[in-house]
Amino acid sequence: NAGVTQTPKFQVLKTGQSMTLQCAQDMNHNSMYWYRQDPGMGLRLIYYSASEGTTDKGEVPNGYNVSRLNKREFSLRLESAAPSQTSVYFCASMTTSGGAYEQYFGPGTRLTVT
Amino acid sequence: KNQVEQSPQSLIILEGKNCTLQCNYTVSPFSNLRWYKQDTGRGPVSLTIMTFSENTKSNGRYTATLDADTKQSSLHITASQLSDSASYICVVSATGTASKLTFGTGTRLQVTL
Repeated sequence: NAGVTQTPKFQVLKTGQSMTLQCAQDMNHNSMYWYRQDPGMGLRLIYYSASEGTTDKGEVPNGYNVSRLNKREFSLRLESAAPSQTSVYFCASMTTSGGAYEQYFGPGTRLTVT
Repeated sequence: KNQVEQSPQSLIILEGKNCTLQCNYTVSPFSNLRWYKQDTGRGPVSLTIMTFSENTKSNGRYTATLDADTKQSSLHITASQLSDSASYICVVSATGTASKLTFGTGTRLQVTL
């Protein structure tokens, strides 16, 4: 049981390049999330998927797109990277059945855009 | 606007000492409050989740308290260890928004010899 996995762990992009961050969970969770974490700020929600086949914008969706490929996988795409997207990106999953909901995070992807 | 504020921003304590971290929130209507531990270079890991009816919850040397009336929570760490050095993040969710959590900026704790 690997929990939540993310690839890659590190990435350097030039302004204007595109890339996709991959996330997978093996806990059969319904909901999945993409956050970014910047110094001095709390984690901010980019996009989330409450269930397979649905996605919704979070607090800071501009410049990003997502795909919920199946129940396990949720990818985040930067179509044209900008220096303002330099950040640490975390994927998380959460069950939404019964009780208070436990959220599990991946190890993060450290992205630098030059 | 839903907000979560944590204090202090950072804290240095000697190994073996106790400490208390604070969290104030304005999230409404309140559903639950979580404390996460985030080691450097890693994702957050849940320590406790508290619902409206819970005042205290323990996880080993970590004890969280919740006062829903004053909208305050604290995380008390007993007999600190070097491995407790991390950021501690308070997270609050509102009823009906299970998919959207409000994160505090965290308290950076350093435990030294």
